[in-house]
Amino acid sequence: QQQVKQSPQSLIVQKGGIPIINCAYENTAFDYFPWYQQFPGKGPALLIAIRPDVSEKKEGRFTISFNKSAKQFSLHIMDSQPGDSATYFCAASMDSNYQLIWGAGTKLIIKP
Amino acid sequence: DVKVTQSSRYLVKRTGEKVFLECVQDMDHENMFWYRQDPGLGLRLIYFSYDVKMKEKGDIPEGYSVSREKKERFSLILESASTNQTSMYLCASSLQGQGSLSNEQFFGPGTRLTVL
Repeated sequence: QQQVKQSPQSLIVQKGGIPIINCAYENTAFDYFPWYQQFPGKGPALLIAIRPDVSEKKEGRFTISFNKSAKQFSLHIMDSQPGDSATYFCAASMDSNYQLIWGAGTKLIIKP
Repeated sequence: DVKVTQSSRYLVKRTGEKVFLECVQDMDHENMFWYRQDPGLGLRLIYFSYDVKMKEKGDIPEGYSVSREKKERFSLILESASTNQTSMYLCASSLQGQGSLSNEQFFGPGTRLTVL
């Protein structure tokens, strides 16, 4: 019930394409869903986050789509660039609990 | 900007050695975390601390201990290092309280530990 399942494990997309990374959860008490981006040699950093009262959130070229009934959320990267190549992690938490439950990560490569 | 620093970027130790990994944050955060990161397994929580001298076990505490004597510093200790503890170790910190601000975790650059 505490798991967050992330797919795919790796993804290769041509520059300009729209990579999509998916996550699914079981615990309906989760109310905060962030995505973190990690470049090689760095720690993860918060990219974008959503709460379940909205179905979509955009920040620049990054969009989270949230489907509460399906208990799924996904990250879309519009007009992807080689600089977006990184590992992406989804996570979930409850406001009452500051721990994050992490997905396994997706290694994204954007080919020039 | 929040800064989380870790004492070493790379560390090579021998089996059976006692290993100390240090983490310092400069934003007066109450919460601090130690994770290990392995390919395909994501981030697994080892221990966390929500206050000085307080600690809670995470998902994989076996073989590890922690120390938090000061608010800004959280140390991870491998009492007797083993080869299966070869991994990337990440420290993070966050504010305490409710709301998005407290959910965001700020990470250090990681320590890649190799145990021979």
